[in-house]
Amino acid sequence: DGGITQSPKYLFRKEGQNVTLSCEQNLNHDAMYWYRQDPGQGLRLIYYSQIVNDFQKGDIAEGYSVSREKKESFPLTVTSAQKNPTAFYLCASSIGAASTEAFFGQGTRLTVV
Amino acid sequence: GENVEQHPSTLSVQEGDSAVIKCTYSDSASNYFPWYKQELGKGPQLIIDIRSNVGEKKDQRIAVTLNKTAKHFSLHITETQPEDSAVYFCAASSMYNNNDMRFGAGTRLTVKP
Repeated sequence: DGGITQSPKYLFRKEGQNVTLSCEQNLNHDAMYWYRQDPGQGLRLIYYSQIVNDFQKGDIAEGYSVSREKKESFPLTVTSAQKNPTAFYLCASSIGAASTEAFFGQGTRLTVV
Repeated sequence: GENVEQHPSTLSVQEGDSAVIKCTYSDSASNYFPWYKQELGKGPQLIIDIRSNVGEKKDQRIAVTLNKTAKHFSLHITETQPEDSAVYFCAASSMYNNNDMRFGAGTRLTVKP
């Protein structure tokens, strides 16, 4: 089955700690994205990558970092510099061409305790 | 950049009635308008999309209309069923850059049996 997988589904982090969210896809998509979702708001773009070893900041990149060492994988690190990290994080992928469908993972709910 | 506004934020209908969700966008270069359905605790899934070269698209009980002049597009769900209850997001993206996809804030649809 082709798809995009995020893990873990739930994640708890102590203040001051970095934490990494996993995103893997076997759709052979070139482009991958990370979005943050807060109640009552749309999806806001954190980072995106159009090709391996390249990525760009989205609208709310501060306090986050990513890597794209493999086509299939696009992990997101939430650093201690992110002041309000509690949110629902969504990873997506697409073939990369303009005006094409984005496929989303099931999301990771991060809670800072 | 693109700005997408979505209304209403919540919508409650009786089973069998129709539901309409409306979105406006600001960037005249946008040419791809997908609609996503998000069920509780899951990632969004594409339910229908429309490109700027057509004014309407229908898929069984779901239809989308686009008015390029007024820069608004709408989702229509007929004969609603309880399983249609979810959060619906509209989005718009530019023909020049799929990474410029912007999402509306979402509409929580509740279909009462």
